[in-house]
Amino acid sequence: DSGVTQTPKHLITATGQRVTLRCSPRSGDLSVYWYQQSLDQGLQFLIQYYNGEERAKGNILERFSAQQFPDLHSELNLSSLELGDSALYFCASSAAGTGAFEEQFFGPGTRLTVL
Amino acid sequence: AQTVTQSQPEMSVQEAETVTLSCTYDTSESNYYLFWYKQPPSRQMILVIRQEAYKQQNATENRFSVNFQKAAKSFSLKISDSQLGDTAMYFCAWSNTGKLIFGQGTTLQVKP
Repeated sequence: DSGVTQTPKHLITATGQRVTLRCSPRSGDLSVYWYQQSLDQGLQFLIQYYNGEERAKGNILERFSAQQFPDLHSELNLSSLELGDSALYFCASSAAGTGAFEEQFFGPGTRLTVL
Repeated sequence: AQTVTQSQPEMSVQEAETVTLSCTYDTSESNYYLFWYKQPPSRQMILVIRQEAYKQQNATENRFSVNFQKAAKSFSLKISDSQLGDTAMYFCAWSNTGKLIFGQGTTLQVKP
């Protein structure tokens, strides 16, 4: 158990819908990262938040957005869903997020299926 | 842009034997970190080992060790005394600011 929690574990929805994925980092960790794992694209970095502010952006679609709340939990919002958005979405957290040397602890992931 | 390449989609090894997984990367940065992550069938991502680019000494964690060749931009993972529990997908990753850039992964099957 990494200490990072993600809900829900599985999500099945239809094209065009909107969903919210939730992540709670390890206690004391200030930084949250979101990654997408799909058969087509492999494992891709989406976005990073540090203490409530966006720190880095990767290959995140405009239909996707994220935020980190004052209690440090984070939500990833996916809208106008397409079949290709079906993937495993990971959240990871690290202590400070100010250096690459920090270990990132991954949550168990949310499996999103778009039908 | 940085890229990470794992050229072996699948590998297999007999239990108790040694196996080496390959990884190459491309970057113009001088300071960075390299990682190997393990993803077993449970899908949990687990850090296996990490290497700081400015350190010449190869990292070792129990049965896992790396061969880091900075000039060749190569970062291979050696697993000694392979165990059935090592069956998983292994990802090589690069980072210099925090975000991880992953290779495509190598599926390793350990056979009894």
